[in-house]
Amino acid sequence: LAKTTQPISMDSYEGQEVNITCSHNNIATNDYITWYQQFPSQGPRFIIQGYKTKVTNEVASLFIPADRKSSTLSLPRVSLSDTAVYYCLVGDKLTGGGNKLTFGTGTQLKVEL
Amino acid sequence: GEEVAQTPKHLVRGEGQKAKLYCAPIKGHSYVFWYQQVLKNEFKFLISFQNENVFDETGMPKERFSAKCLPNSPCSLEIQATKLEDSAVYFCASSHRVLNTEAFFGQGTRLTVV
Repeated sequence: LAKTTQPISMDSYEGQEVNITCSHNNIATNDYITWYQQFPSQGPRFIIQGYKTKVTNEVASLFIPADRKSSTLSLPRVSLSDTAVYYCLVGDKLTGGGNKLTFGTGTQLKVEL
Repeated sequence: GEEVAQTPKHLVRGEGQKAKLYCAPIKGHSYVFWYQQVLKNEFKFLISFQNENVFDETGMPKERFSAKCLPNSPCSLEIQATKLEDSAVYFCASSHRVLNTEAFFGQGTRLTVV
């Protein structure tokens, strides 16, 4: 499984755009990139998933360069409620829903007023 | 149900006692996973099921840990003879059958071994 590296923590202010970058130098051809969010005392929650280029949903955008060795989660106009740990995961989507998820250490995002 | 339900929310056990955790996956999801979160952000995969069959048990410490997913019953994770190092939050997750790695997590059970 591809190992991921991301910053341990980031600070931001309400209304700003936050970009969290994840490195995954040994990503495999079949691997997808997935981001989860975890609030204190809760389980992780799926945010977004992509394979290449750009993916956008109502919550975030995911930018993946052509070499796929990194990815950037972009959170537009963060609020206090976006304070959480964000995990970048890399794994094979194509073999079905039974694949285990391999979490790294995550990035603790703290949003202040 | 529409969410993964884990019980109990908190569990305290003395060293050497048994602990049993329960998980009701989302209806219609074929896969169930158990993860252990020991330190603040570190997750460890324990075991997964495809319906009632073990799918992947590579993370299970088999000496004291066991798990089941029986039809028409919540899944369970049991720890015999708990140790201090078993203190952690145990998360259950479920996912749909095919081509979907989005896993839905429960709120977790915090196990404290004293």
